[in-house]
Amino acid sequence: ILNVEQSPQSLHVQEGDSTNFTCSFPSSNFYALHWYRWETAKSPEALFVMTLNGDEKKKGRISATLNTKEGYSYLYIKGSQPEDSATYLCAFTSTNKLSFGAGTTVTVRA
Amino acid sequence: EAQVTQNPRYLITVTGKKLTVTCSQNMNHEYMSWYRQDPGLGLRQIYYSMNVEVTDKGDVPEGYKVSRKEKRNFPLILESPSPNQTSLYFCASSTPGPAGEQYFGPGTRLTVT
Repeated sequence: ILNVEQSPQSLHVQEGDSTNFTCSFPSSNFYALHWYRWETAKSPEALFVMTLNGDEKKKGRISATLNTKEGYSYLYIKGSQPEDSATYLCAFTSTNKLSFGAGTTVTVRA
Repeated sequence: EAQVTQNPRYLITVTGKKLTVTCSQNMNHEYMSWYRQDPGLGLRQIYYSMNVEVTDKGDVPEGYKVSRKEKRNFPLILESPSPNQTSLYFCASSTPGPAGEQYFGPGTRLTVT
């Protein structure tokens, strides 16, 4: 089982503030790094898939960076809004498997 | 509409009674997989399939079986369910493979008493 760690486990953000959190993964046998957004009572939805060291992806106010050499990825939320409240999952792909982290739960306070 | 469907959505059963959870996708995806989600543990991959008739174990395959006879379907079989298989199960599909965005089904909440 590949060790994918996310930190912090949870965080509270004031509306309008920006925040970021981390996904750590094994730096060997890297194939891809995924980020998913998971809202309560729904299914996870893909945000980004990154495959190259130095990749940066952006979707609206959410962006992500990737460092495959040191084995980490950051997810950034700029100007947090209540609708950003969700659990954010990262997943590491090595060969044909996916290994997910336990997630970072973000709560945005109005 | 592109989607992954799972049935049933909720199931309460008893120990030892064989059950099947169906999964179907209409996106012509090659890669399909099953996950279970337990509090504090995140999603753990049970089995995956690279294409028709090609399946392999994920990280937690014990107690489960799968088959991939058609590209669109990937059923999860519990031959003899036990209480430790009480969990939330997700099916997912992607293309061109495990590095593609995973499209998740709505989930199946299984309780084994």
